[in-house]
Amino acid sequence: VELQESGPGLVKPSETLSLTCNVSGGSVFTSNYFWSIIRQPPGKGLEWIGYIYYSGSTEYNPSLESRVTISFDTSKNQFSLKLTSVTAADTAVYYCARGVVTMIRGTTWFDTWGQGTLVTVSS
Amino acid sequence: DIVLTQSPDTLSLSPGERATLSCRASQTVSTNYLAWYQQMAGQAPRLLLSGASRRAPGIPDRFSGSGSGTDFTLTISRLEPEDFAVYYCQQYGSSPITFGPGTRLDIK
Repeated sequence: VELQESGPGLVKPSETLSLTCNVSGGSVFTSNYFWSIIRQPPGKGLEWIGYIYYSGSTEYNPSLESRVTISFDTSKNQFSLKLTSVTAADTAVYYCARGVVTMIRGTTWFDTWGQGTLVTVSS
Repeated sequence: DIVLTQSPDTLSLSPGERATLSCRASQTVSTNYLAWYQQMAGQAPRLLLSGASRRAPGIPDRFSGSGSGTDFTLTISRLEPEDFAVYYCQQYGSSPITFGPGTRLDIK
């Protein structure tokens, strides 16, 4: 399976960041995986944003939960991120990743990653 | 949240040497649910190990993982030139998922 991110490149402060992850080589509607988004500010470490399961259920990082929505595009094999009220602190490379279902609710590890897309928040 | 601390921040070694990277958790990581990733410059992270010690498909056997509870180790037995990268640990024993800050492995 392969994941490919597409994003706006540049978003203005206070606006909404929208990112789409296209999945090829496998269906997102499988019970074995979570479809996840992770970000990495320039020169910094990794931060998990959230995931969506084939049922449509979601789990988000509590630090971002009030601003995040992850959803499926039901007509395509894609999932999407919306992050509202962005600031410069949201500038990062955003990765789509496939997470493996574990026995512990809300947790996963990531066996496949997209190449990432840089989103810059600036006026 | 479980906070992961990695040490050292930077490790400078030569090809052929052995590398030992540490990941320490602020609380016990349930079921040893700890993963390691390698990130080369300008690339996405790549899964090396899950479950603290289970190599992902295609990962050479010079990479090994050990540990339990709060202390975990990634060992690279004989460094190859392509191993010089940043390494991250990640715990998935409790929500939210968290990553360590990374260890940079440099060529000496």
